[in-house]
Amino acid sequence: DGGITQSPKYLFRKEGQNVTLSCEQNLNHDAMYWYRQDPGQGLRLIYYSQIVNDFQKGDIAEGYSVSREKKESFPLTVTSAQKNPTAFYLCASSIAWEGNQPQHFGDGTRLSIL
Amino acid sequence: GENVEQHPSTLSVQEGDSAVIKCTYSDSASNYFPWYKQELGKGPQLIIDIRSNVGEKKDQRIAVTLNKTAKHFSLHITETQPEDSAVYFCAANPTDSWGKFQFGAGTQVVVTP
Repeated sequence: DGGITQSPKYLFRKEGQNVTLSCEQNLNHDAMYWYRQDPGQGLRLIYYSQIVNDFQKGDIAEGYSVSREKKESFPLTVTSAQKNPTAFYLCASSIAWEGNQPQHFGDGTRLSIL
Repeated sequence: GENVEQHPSTLSVQEGDSAVIKCTYSDSASNYFPWYKQELGKGPQLIIDIRSNVGEKKDQRIAVTLNKTAKHFSLHITETQPEDSAVYFCAANPTDSWGKFQFGAGTQVVVTP
């Protein structure tokens, strides 16, 4: 079955530690996205990638970094510079950046501070 | 840029009744409007979408209507069932950056038996 796989489902971070969230898709989609969701809130865009080897900052990129070395993979690193990292992180992909294409989401990673 | 407002924030309905959620958007050139359903602890799932060249789209018990003049679109759920309980999000695509969807804040729908 095609889809988006996020791992791990739960992640704990110590003070001063960087952690990396995995996102893999086998949909052959060009575009990928990372969102942050806080309790009772909507989705805020952290980073997006229109195509492999390219990515841009979204609305809340400070304290985060990404890479897009392979079409199917878009890992997100939450750095120690992100002072309030506790949230639900969602990865999404779409067939293309241009035009009116739906985004498909993984089942998220919940990050908490130890 | 695009701004999307979603109402109501919570909606409680009796099983079998209809539910309606409304979203307004600001960018008159936006041309794609998806709706997502998010169950607890899971990612949002696309349930229906509409493009600006149509006014209404239906899929079994759910439908979406679009009023381009008034810049609003609505999700209609008929004959609600307990499994319809979830958070629903609307979104619109801004013309200055197509892939950067602007999402509404979400509507918590509770269907009581």
